[in-house]
Amino acid sequence: SQKIEQNSEALNIQEGKTATLTCNYTNYSPAYLQWYRQDPGRGPVFLLLIRENEKEKRKERLKVTFDTTLKQSLFHITASQPADSATYLCALPTGNQFYFGTGTSLTVIP
Amino acid sequence: AAGVIQSPRHLIKEKRETATLKCYPIPRHDTVYWYQQGPGQDPQFLISFYEKMQSDKGSIPDRFSAQQFSDYHSELNMSSLELGDSALYFCASSFGTVGNTIYFGEGSWLTVV
Repeated sequence: SQKIEQNSEALNIQEGKTATLTCNYTNYSPAYLQWYRQDPGRGPVFLLLIRENEKEKRKERLKVTFDTTLKQSLFHITASQPADSATYLCALPTGNQFYFGTGTSLTVIP
Repeated sequence: AAGVIQSPRHLIKEKRETATLKCYPIPRHDTVYWYQQGPGQDPQFLISFYEKMQSDKGSIPDRFSAQQFSDYHSELNMSSLELGDSALYFCASSFGTVGNTIYFGEGSWLTVV
């Protein structure tokens, strides 16, 4: 089965800097990959979807890359703000379900 | 815009009791997913339904069952509850499955005491 790994430790960065989160998977490359944000006790909120034929996708201050050779997706938040502090999850489809990574806890320090 | 609605938001049950969680997907969404998230864990897939038929099954215990009704809402039934069942249960919905974004509800907190 697919194994998904994200930054193993929490990420603390200074406000205004760029946060880079990593999602690595082990088996087959999915047709697409999604990133979600989750706040404590809340449901994951969809952020971005990137397909296997797209190298990069942007949405406001967010940027996602997808490298099927490296089996890796990178998630960038530029000009980070304290409000960006949350856990970020990557999700890969497998059949009719999605597997989530372990999540990376991001804290943006004012 | 309408979101995925889950009820109840919080539920406290004793061991060996039964609990039922409800999920109302976004209008026109035909696929429902159930996930279980323990403290500090990532969401674990339980089961999904497409057009009222079970489409995929994950790590759902035999004590749990679920179904999707004609109006596309879904219910997760959990029997013989154990302390380890205490978790946040999420329902998500999408239009179709492949290549479509899934949208999550706010979750139902189940505490088994």
